[in-house]
Amino acid sequence: AAGVIQSPRHLIKEKRETATLKCYPIPRHDTVYWYQQGPGQDPQFLISFYEKMQSDKGSIPDRFSAQQFSDYHSELNMSSLELGDSALYFCASSPTGTDTQYFGPGTRLTVL
Amino acid sequence: EDQVTQSPEALRLQEGESSSLNCSYTVSGLRGLFWYRQDPGKGPEFLFTLYSAGEEKEKERLKATLTKKESFLHITAPKPEDSATYLCAFPSGGSNYKLTFGKGTLLTVNP
Repeated sequence: AAGVIQSPRHLIKEKRETATLKCYPIPRHDTVYWYQQGPGQDPQFLISFYEKMQSDKGSIPDRFSAQQFSDYHSELNMSSLELGDSALYFCASSPTGTDTQYFGPGTRLTVL
Repeated sequence: EDQVTQSPEALRLQEGESSSLNCSYTVSGLRGLFWYRQDPGKGPEFLFTLYSAGEEKEKERLKATLTKKESFLHITAPKPEDSATYLCAFPSGGSNYKLTFGKGTLLTVNP
């Protein structure tokens, strides 16, 4: 069965650089979610989109922005990267009418 | 404030030794309790959703149950491949989108 696709899987950046993470949801899933998981931590909700509109916002820094495109894929843009942004970033998706979130494999971001 | 607490933090079992993981919650208007399994460096894998007290769901060696205050994940005759972190989560803050996760239980099953 098709799963959520995230790219890149690994990303290394310097402080103050920018990064773009991409997420391709499971086909026919119209809701996308972004989570951040620091080392030894549980996933923390960042932001979600339903039908290309922002549906909810969590503890996402102002330096981060995200959007969902017409083909339902989503991108998380991160600017002025800080050392503390080093984490696993997960994208999840769900189909209309259900609240079960299916997670992708994640992007490991390392900020040096 | 909505809260969830998982216990124990870590559990070490011998292969075949059954046990249970606990997820205690304080949520106003629970709209689902989710269980996920997470392997190191990988995304959480969906296991179960429970919606009402008394509900039970099973998958292979796992069974999840729900009461008004807690959920249990029972593991029967575990195998080494069941070793992982098990997370419970619920929609929080009045949102259907934001999942709040517990800290997880790290399960290790020794052969």
